[in-house]
Amino acid sequence: RKEVEQDPGPFNVPEGATVAFNCTYSNSASQSFFWYRQDCRKEPKLLMSVYSSGNEDGRFTAQLNRASQYISLLIRDSKLSDSATYLCVVNLEDFNKFYFGSGTKLNVKP
Amino acid sequence: DTGVSQNPRHKITKRGQNVTFRCDPISEHNRLYWYRQTLGQGPEFLTYFQNEAQLEKSRLLSDRFSAERPKGSFSTLEIQRTEQGDSAMYLCATRRQRKTGNEQFFGPGTRLTVL
Repeated sequence: RKEVEQDPGPFNVPEGATVAFNCTYSNSASQSFFWYRQDCRKEPKLLMSVYSSGNEDGRFTAQLNRASQYISLLIRDSKLSDSATYLCVVNLEDFNKFYFGSGTKLNVKP
Repeated sequence: DTGVSQNPRHKITKRGQNVTFRCDPISEHNRLYWYRQTLGQGPEFLTYFQNEAQLEKSRLLSDRFSAERPKGSFSTLEIQRTEQGDSAMYLCATRRQRKTGNEQFFGPGTRLTVL
């Protein structure tokens, strides 16, 4: 079983739509959680950290459910520039390891 | 630009040749990671350094792969006797001194093609 599982998509949405991605992780000892964005043939870049109480950054909202070992990312009012692959990442600090999901591809259409 | 640089950006080599990649981290980041990423997959952990010490190696890192980080600054990843299956993007990432929640910063990667 993979450490981090994501729906690969693609999610094809019109501009202005709200879209949500989910991610599950297998290790209950995971301590830190992140969403990274990766454009085609580029390196991953941090989109936002995910905190236990949930957090928001502009049009982006991240939620963490430790009991269900589940992370989500909500994007409101989608822009064409949001088209990318979104990677869910969990960190086992004690082992200094980061585990990446395979990514969810988002296509925002005009 | 995250401040992490990698060279070369692209490498095309013939099967059986040796290749070496370099990563220059953000100066105050003492932790350095190497990942491999293939099409449609997320980055897969290869190895990890804390300063100059290599503390963790993945089972993915066969004996043809070796990584170093002399003096705890830049790092190199060498692949000997390359195989076509080694074709991938090789990513370097760095982060600061241990603190829960610290994210990684990635370099632009080296794209390796083995013919």
